[in-house]
Amino acid sequence: EAQVTQNPRYLITVTGKKLTVTCSQNMNHEYMSWYRQDPGLGLRQIYYSMNVEVTDKGDVPEGYKVSRKEKRNFPLILESPSPNQTSLYFCASRGTANTGELFFGEGSRLTVL
Amino acid sequence: AQSVTQLDSQVPVFEEAPVELRCNYSSSVSVYLFWYVQYPNQGLQLLLKYLSGSTLVESINGFEAEFNKSQTSFHLRKPSVHISDTAEYFCAVSRALAGNTPLVFGKGTRLSVIA
Repeated sequence: EAQVTQNPRYLITVTGKKLTVTCSQNMNHEYMSWYRQDPGLGLRQIYYSMNVEVTDKGDVPEGYKVSRKEKRNFPLILESPSPNQTSLYFCASRGTANTGELFFGEGSRLTVL
Repeated sequence: AQSVTQLDSQVPVFEEAPVELRCNYSSSVSVYLFWYVQYPNQGLQLLLKYLSGSTLVESINGFEAEFNKSQTSFHLRKPSVHISDTAEYFCAVSRALAGNTPLVFGKGTRLSVIA
């Protein structure tokens, strides 16, 4: 089954404690992206990757890092989380063309205390 | 750069009534347009898309959207809604013929269908 898998789905952490949200897709997609969803703000793109070893900032990259060492994986790293990073995070992937469907994971709800 | 405005943040509607969710976009170049749906506690799923050709596009569950270039709109409609249509709907835009460019989303419209 074609899917995008995120882990963890739920996480409560404290300010400053580094964490990683993993994302893996099994569709051999070149393009992967991270979004955060906040009430009243919709989806905002954090980082995206066109292919292995190619990453670019989205609209709200501050406080986040990403890496793309393998085609299937695109982890999101919060080096020193802060309460304003409390949010619902989505990973998504797509094939080469931007005419195609963006496939989303089920989301990771992060709370930073 | 492209941008999307969804004019209504919340739309309550009675079951079996028609609904229209409005979306306007801004772009200096040709665009592709999409509607995604997010059911409670799930990720987003593609509902329908406009790439080229007929300006009226349809989904398998009765929704349709019409691309209007002169009004820069891509409104989503359904003639008769069901309880199961309760969800958040996102309009999105990307540059046409521009390879693998990011998708820009609107802020979403929460559709609540009332029995």
